[in-house]
Formats: sequence, structure tokens, C-alpha cells
Amino acid sequence: QSALTQPASVSGSPGQSITISCTGTSSDVGAYNYVSWYQQHPGKAPKLMIYDVSNRPSGISNRFSGSKSGNTASLTISGLQAEDEADYYCSSYTSSRTQVFGGGTQLTVL
Amino acid sequence: QLQMQESGPGLVKPSETLSLTCTVSGGSISSSSYYWGWIRQPPGKGLEWIGSIYYSGSTYYSPSLKSRVTISVDTSKNQFFLKLSSVTAADTAVYYCARRPIFGVLTNAFDIWGQGTMVTVSS
Repeated sequence: QSALTQPASVSGSPGQSITISCTGTSSDVGAYNYVSWYQQHPGKAPKLMIYDVSNRPSGISNRFSGSKSGNTASLTISGLQAEDEADYYCSSYTSSRTQVFGGGTQLTVL
Repeated sequence: QLQMQESGPGLVKPSETLSLTCTVSGGSISSSSYYWGWIRQPPGKGLEWIGSIYYSGSTYYSPSLKSRVTISVDTSKNQFFLKLSSVTAADTAVYYCARRPIFGVLTNAFDIWGQGTMVTVSS
């Protein structure tokens, strides 16, 4: 299985919105609504931000939202804040009953 | 509050077997609602799923690592384990254990992670 495709980096100014894409195949992203997104600050463990494409775990700000169209999922962060600067990873369940991650996207808040 | 903690040698020699333990506290590893997984991250690189195990011992592995990976569980100790054989420098990474719910509101995502443990493969 190949890693999901994410842009290497995105950037935005405080208060703006950004979107990170995550492209897979009909065997993973396109097959199920089991796409999740993780935030990782340097030296820390990943933190779940979105599950099942568009659901937020308890305690996650509603500035974070997710969506999916076909084989591509997206994470949108609105009202960018300095603390949003981190690496973001998407992940999907696959038709082989495995999991696959994206290559990661570095978000810079200008 | 459930917590997970990885442990094991920080240095492994090339061609040897990497062995790690994940200890689960504050909850039972025998719950039918979860899979328990291993994920790794080479320095400066992205996350890679290694495999997952159910309390019954049912396992799923990454196709790229399947020939070298064994994940097992000891429900009496509330622990699960990772063994990766024939390691090379490419296996140098931070190794995380994580929980994946399969029943309930939040499913099919890794909702709780350990802090990670760095393993270096070097002679």
C-alpha cells in the first residue's frame, strides 16, 4: 500500500483559513468514511483532531473541520492561531483491513 | 483516564530483533471495543503504521513489514508487544503504541497514544 498524498507544506496568517488535502485511492480514502487527521507538535505524540472524515473528538475546537470527496479528504482550519503551527497527518482504513498514513503537511502560521 | 507507555531497548544492533512493550493502564486491554496498534516515525519523517492486534490475538500487519513483524498480547499483564526482526538503520525511529476503537461513537482512529520511544539501530 502506498502512503496517502499530502502537500509538504501550507501556510497562512493568523485569522485566515487553510485547507490540507489528502489523496488516496478507491481502496482506502474512497472506500470508507474512516479518514482521520492528527496534529503533531515537535517532540510530541500525534493528537487526534478529526475522525470518520468530519467528526471532532471531545475537546477539539470547532475551528477544525473535515470533508471528503471521492478519493480526496480535506482538513480545514479556520481562524488560524499561532498554536495551530504543527505537522498534520491524515490516515485511512483500507480494504485490506490495514491503516495507511499520509506523508504529513507542515503548517506554518505567518 | 487510560494511558499507554512504550518501553524497551533504545539501541539495537543491525540484523538483530527489536523488541518493545506497550503497557496499558487505567483500562483493560481485554475490552472487545479496541484494537491496539504500533506506529513508527523515522527522524524528520512521517508516520508509518506497523500493525494492530485485538485482545484475542487477531493481528493485521503492514504489507511492507509483514515478513519481519510479530505483534502479540498478554492480557494478564495488560500489555502488548512488538518484535521486528532483521533490523537495519532504516528501522531507526520513534515507536508509538496507540489505541483504536472499533465500537462506539469514535471508531477507526487512533484516539490515545503513548509518548513514544526512540529506537536507534546501530553497531
